[in-house]
Amino acid sequence: QLQLQESGPGLVKPSETLSLTCSVSGVSIRSSSYYWGWIRQPPGKGLEWIGNMFYTGRTNYNPSLKSRVTISADMSKNQFSLRLNSVTAADTAVYYCASRDYFGSETYGTDVWGQGTTVTVSS
Amino acid sequence: QTVVTQEPSFSVSPGGTVTLTCGLSSGSVSSNYYPNWYQQTPGQAPRTLIYSTNIRSSGVPDRFSGSILGNKAALTITGAQADDESDYYCVLYVRSGIWVFGGGTKLTVL
Repeated sequence: QLQLQESGPGLVKPSETLSLTCSVSGVSIRSSSYYWGWIRQPPGKGLEWIGNMFYTGRTNYNPSLKSRVTISADMSKNQFSLRLNSVTAADTAVYYCASRDYFGSETYGTDVWGQGTTVTVSS
Repeated sequence: QTVVTQEPSFSVSPGGTVTLTCGLSSGSVSSNYYPNWYQQTPGQAPRTLIYSTNIRSSGVPDRFSGSILGNKAALTITGAQADDESDYYCVLYVRSGIWVFGGGTKLTVL
């Protein structure tokens, strides 16, 4: 059964880099049947799609975050990661990793989410 | 910049039926946008209710259904229960690997 678990520092200083890891179990991230992505939710606000990646290394990012975001994978550990540069208080949020089924030819299925991890940006 | 629109809030009586919608600031939503619907209660991760317009996720009661109504995606709850009181979000595949969430609808059951 596919499961995802986020990990990383809960506190990041302004202007520094936020780094989170998503550990995947039950499925190889080398699989061509999934996209792997990140979503965040600021306190009291809605969900925001950050970006995703495919096993080929192809990435897609929210245009509003694209200049600061990198999503990458460590195939040996079956993990993928999020890096967000130059953070400010506005980046304080619960960060979720998630998978989405991919059937090829731009067709998609359901998704599975991690439980989320809270990141606070503060000095 | 693509904006996905949802009603900020909605109210339904217990046992009643409610339809929440998910639209685009410009253009119509079709099944090609792969609309997904999520339910979220405070402090919890979102739960996937519906994917690819109208497919219920495993374990989701059949009183939740998804469709395209006019130019929007829709989530209908039939026979609303007290524990349906939650925030509901939709997400659309807008282009070239990009997904956009709606702002969410706060559903009250009273």
